[in-house]
Amino acid sequence: DGGITQSPKYLFRKEGQNVTLSCEQNLNHDAMYWYRQDPGQGLRLIYYSQIVNDFQKGDIAEGYSVSREKKESFPLTVTSAQKNPTAFYLCASSITSTAYEQYFGPGTRLTVT
Amino acid sequence: QQQVKQSPQSLIVQKGGISIINCAYENTAFDYFPWYQQFPGKGPALLIAIRPDVSEKKEGRFTISFNKSAKQFSLHIMDSQPGDSATYFCAAYQNEKLTFGTGTRLTIIP
Repeated sequence: DGGITQSPKYLFRKEGQNVTLSCEQNLNHDAMYWYRQDPGQGLRLIYYSQIVNDFQKGDIAEGYSVSREKKESFPLTVTSAQKNPTAFYLCASSITSTAYEQYFGPGTRLTVT
Repeated sequence: QQQVKQSPQSLIVQKGGISIINCAYENTAFDYFPWYQQFPGKGPALLIAIRPDVSEKKEGRFTISFNKSAKQFSLHIMDSQPGDSATYFCAAYQNEKLTFGTGTRLTIIP
């Protein structure tokens, strides 16, 4: 059963705490992406990785960090520096970074109070 | 800076009717225009896509119309069904990145 898994589905944290969101894919895709989805704002790119051990900032990278130590894994850390962390976070992958079709995971809804 | 503008924000269509969602872009370097469908609590999934050198693409009940000179493209859903109720995002691809529109929540009523 191939695809992208994100865990957990719901995550609650207190303000000031760092939190790491998990993203795993078994599609053997080179490229992986993290998006943030807020009501009325569509999907905004946080970070993307074209290949293992390499990643690039997206449009809204401030307050976030990532790592890509393995091809199948691309965890996202939401740091305490992110001013409005409460959102729906989506991970995606594509065969290569030049492929326009991205496959999305089910998302993690993060609530910070 | 919103590079892909999508309208309407929400749309209600009667079952069997035609649903139309519009998008406009500024950047002429975009080279692929996909549409994604998202059901509540799920991630988006690719629905249909078009290249800028094609004016129309049809897949089943879903059609993309593309107007390169006007820098606009639209999604038409023919014979809309309750199962089509979802949020639809247009997107534009350039340099390894997708830029998404703000989404349209489509509701099909019986």
